[in-house]
Amino acid sequence: LAKTTQPISMDSYEGQEVNITCSHNNIATNDYITWYQQFPSQGPRFIIQGYKTKVTNEVASLFIPADRKSSTLSLPRVSLSDTAVYYCLVGDNTSGGSYIPTFGRGTSLIVHP
Amino acid sequence: NAGVTQTPKFQVLKTGQSMTLQCAQDMNHEYMSWYRQDPGMGLRLIHYSVGAGITDQGEVPNGYNVSRSTTEDFPLRLLSAAPSQTSVYFCASSYKGPTASGEVYEQYFGPGTRLTVT
Repeated sequence: LAKTTQPISMDSYEGQEVNITCSHNNIATNDYITWYQQFPSQGPRFIIQGYKTKVTNEVASLFIPADRKSSTLSLPRVSLSDTAVYYCLVGDNTSGGSYIPTFGRGTSLIVHP
Repeated sequence: NAGVTQTPKFQVLKTGQSMTLQCAQDMNHEYMSWYRQDPGMGLRLIHYSVGAGITDQGEVPNGYNVSRSTTEDFPLRLLSAAPSQTSVYFCASSYKGPTASGEVYEQYFGPGTRLTVT
């Protein structure tokens, strides 16, 4: 059972706002939602995390509706350097019984000039 | 701080060979983990450790061993390499592991090791 569902790819243009939505219908009550960014040939990098409502930092905003079954990562005024894969994570149970955030396939964002 | 370092950056192995991928962090993080990433895929958790002396299996542990004798180091050992283990391997660390209340801490990733098994 997939924990999260995201669009496989998105295209945008420089200067536009980009919103990437992640569906997590089976999110647990105590789950946080975390987003990572990955550039080619690099490890992922933490962007933002939230539990409910809205969280904003210097890079992005995260919107989480009251039912928490989805979340939207908002990137204001993207530039070419925002071209990357974006992952939405919620927890998942491992074989060892622990609860670990799990990466899905992510959304490949391409920003055009 | 160097953050999370991984060696080697590239490695080619023949089927059946064994090797150890090294991972070290200088941030005094309790939690460390190993992921593999296959082309066009997300990251899959292999093993993780919540502290020195404590390790546990992730989603895809078969064919890999880990140990955590110090807080800083978390090596990943391939016992008998197979072509299916061709992948990019990432090590990550965070201040702590996920808490019982569901909070997770930011993970810092290393640059990765690109492994090819022929």
